[in-house]
Amino acid sequence: SAVISQKPSRDICQRGTSLTIQCQVDSQVTMMFWYRQQPGQSLTLIATANQGSEATYESGFVIDKFPISRPNLTFSTLTVSNMSPEDSSIYLCSTSGGRAYEQYFGPGTRLTVT
Amino acid sequence: DQQVKQNSPSLSVQEGRISILNCDYTNSMFDYFLWYKKYPAEGPTFLISISSIKDKNEDGRFTVFLNKSAKHLSLHIVPSQPGDSAVYFCAARKAAGNKLTFGGGTRVLVKP
Repeated sequence: SAVISQKPSRDICQRGTSLTIQCQVDSQVTMMFWYRQQPGQSLTLIATANQGSEATYESGFVIDKFPISRPNLTFSTLTVSNMSPEDSSIYLCSTSGGRAYEQYFGPGTRLTVT
Repeated sequence: DQQVKQNSPSLSVQEGRISILNCDYTNSMFDYFLWYKKYPAEGPTFLISISSIKDKNEDGRFTVFLNKSAKHLSLHIVPSQPGDSAVYFCAARKAAGNKLTFGGGTRVLVKP
């Protein structure tokens, strides 16, 4: 499986600011995914990022709030814009594995908004 | 609409005994089911999966059972070890899609 790293691992941000989270994969992958895990909750898919095309957002998530870039086959960024305390979550990126239905996750970015 | 549910938020088991984690789903379009383990401050780690056309898949100490008519799957860990203490998520994928839908997780504590 691919090795996935994320930066930063954690951050504390003030409301109204934005944070960009980076996800780096050690091999070329077609699809990358961004998830959110709110405190005490499960993982929820935010969007799917394909290289060379616009990200596909899930219901309840919009590009203005969570812009995503996918400049190449090993890297993606997720920006959390105009943050509020409700955005305090763990943000995780993932990629598909050797079998398309499997996904492998990065270590996550723990975001706290004050 | 919670399509994947794990009704037990926590489970405590003695080392060496069996851990049984349960998961229910509502969507008949799911074609693959997966289990992940998550330690604090780490991302989920893939454990085992099962296709909807099978009823059992085994990998070492981990076995997943699928009862399609009941829309129910379970993960058996035998024997349980203290290192298995973690949060376990079941997830499901809709046929021909890429999105994984996760259950709420079950926190397992294995006591030495």
